[in-house]
Amino acid sequence: QVQLVESGGGVVQPGRSLRLSCAASGFTFSSYSVHWVRQAPGKGLEWLTDILNDGRIKHYADSVKGRFTISRDNSKNTLYLQMNSLRVEDTAVYYCARGTIAIAGLDLWGRGTLVTVAS
Amino acid sequence: QTVVTQEPSLTVSPGGTVTLTCASSTGAVTSGNYPNWFQQKPGQAPRALIYSTSNKHSWTPARFSGSLLGDKAALTLSGVQPEDEAEYYCLLHYGGAWVFGGGTKLTVL
Repeated sequence: QVQLVESGGGVVQPGRSLRLSCAASGFTFSSYSVHWVRQAPGKGLEWLTDILNDGRIKHYADSVKGRFTISRDNSKNTLYLQMNSLRVEDTAVYYCARGTIAIAGLDLWGRGTLVTVAS
Repeated sequence: QTVVTQEPSLTVSPGGTVTLTCASSTGAVTSGNYPNWFQQKPGQAPRALIYSTSNKHSWTPARFSGSLLGDKAALTLSGVQPEDEAEYYCLLHYGGAWVFGGGTKLTVL
């Protein structure tokens, strides 16, 4: 079954760190770019970052540049998002999504994991 | 900071046709922005509909189509069904980074 499953969400205090994971299955993970997208409660989608298939090229939205780091382990079919210096406004559902094979968009999405930043 | 703008809300009757648009603060949307469209229903993850302006995924219903309309990207729904009521988001590419539009809430009434 082709799917992405996020994990690692939870409640964390402002200023602390959290690492999210996204486990891929049912397809050749190492052939695809992958993305992180988040959605604050009641708000729209926000693209955060992506990483190309071999992990050498990464892009970030300005809102998370310098605080969040994307990485992947193709041997484990897993994508990661390291989130540091978390803020209350980082509270959101975090989705991982697969890039299309021609790097022309996103196709497959996970169900998301909720991160709540609160004291 | 690049802003992508969509209509906040639209209403369409069942069986009707509606066009949602997606504009860029940097100027005309082109095929080089690889416009994507997604559908999201309450409590669900987004579902991809269109990529690279007009390409459908294998699961995209035939009544959905994407295009460039003037200086915007567009998503047209023809023969709207009640189950098409949802939030729709466009996504544009800017030389590495991607930016979502604010979303259009489509009501089928």
